[in-house]
Amino acid sequence: QKEVEQDPGPLSVPEGAIVSLNCTYSNSAFQYFMWYRQYSRKGPELLMYTYSSGNKEDGRFTAQVDKSSKYISLFIRDSQPSDSATYLCAMKGTGANNLFFGTGTRLTVIP
Amino acid sequence: DAGITQSPRHKVTETGTPVTLRCHQTENHRYMYWYRQDPGHGLRLIHYSYGVKDTDKGEVSDGYSVSRSKTEDFLLTLESATSSQTSVYFCAIRALGDRGNEQFFGPGTRLTVL
Repeated sequence: QKEVEQDPGPLSVPEGAIVSLNCTYSNSAFQYFMWYRQYSRKGPELLMYTYSSGNKEDGRFTAQVDKSSKYISLFIRDSQPSDSATYLCAMKGTGANNLFFGTGTRLTVIP
Repeated sequence: DAGITQSPRHKVTETGTPVTLRCHQTENHRYMYWYRQDPGHGLRLIHYSYGVKDTDKGEVSDGYSVSRSKTEDFLLTLESATSSQTSVYFCAIRALGDRGNEQFFGPGTRLTVL
């Protein structure tokens, strides 16, 4: 079993839709949770960072962490064609040096 | 972009040849990482460094070595490249201070081993 599971998609939505992206994990030691956006043939770009459980909002993006269910989500409101990319979840434990990544979900927002 | 550059950006080589990839950063970050990205596997850690001459193995370190002789450069070497090492390689740095759990990535090197 992988430490982090993420549905690879692809996910295709019309412009303006609300997008929900999710990851599950198995390691209860994970405390720090991140979402990266990766455009084709580019490096991952850090989008959202949260610590422990709860919600964090940044513009059209909201990250949620439910540690009791070992489940994290990224919501994108009013999705735009420029949001078309692969979204990677990542997480780590306290004191750990490396991140554990999901395989990524490919999102296409259709104008 | 956290001041990270990678070179070369693309390379095609033959099985059995040595290959060295370079990661260069300009912001004096202590921690640097090498990942590879493959379809169905996501990003996996190869090696990381926590200071000059201080390195450690990651999840997929077999067939790779690293060196860090100065803060700004972290080199990844494939001593004898194999087709299974065809991948996209990303360098990352760990942010400083209270953002110390965040990692920022370079643009990547696309390596093809024939």
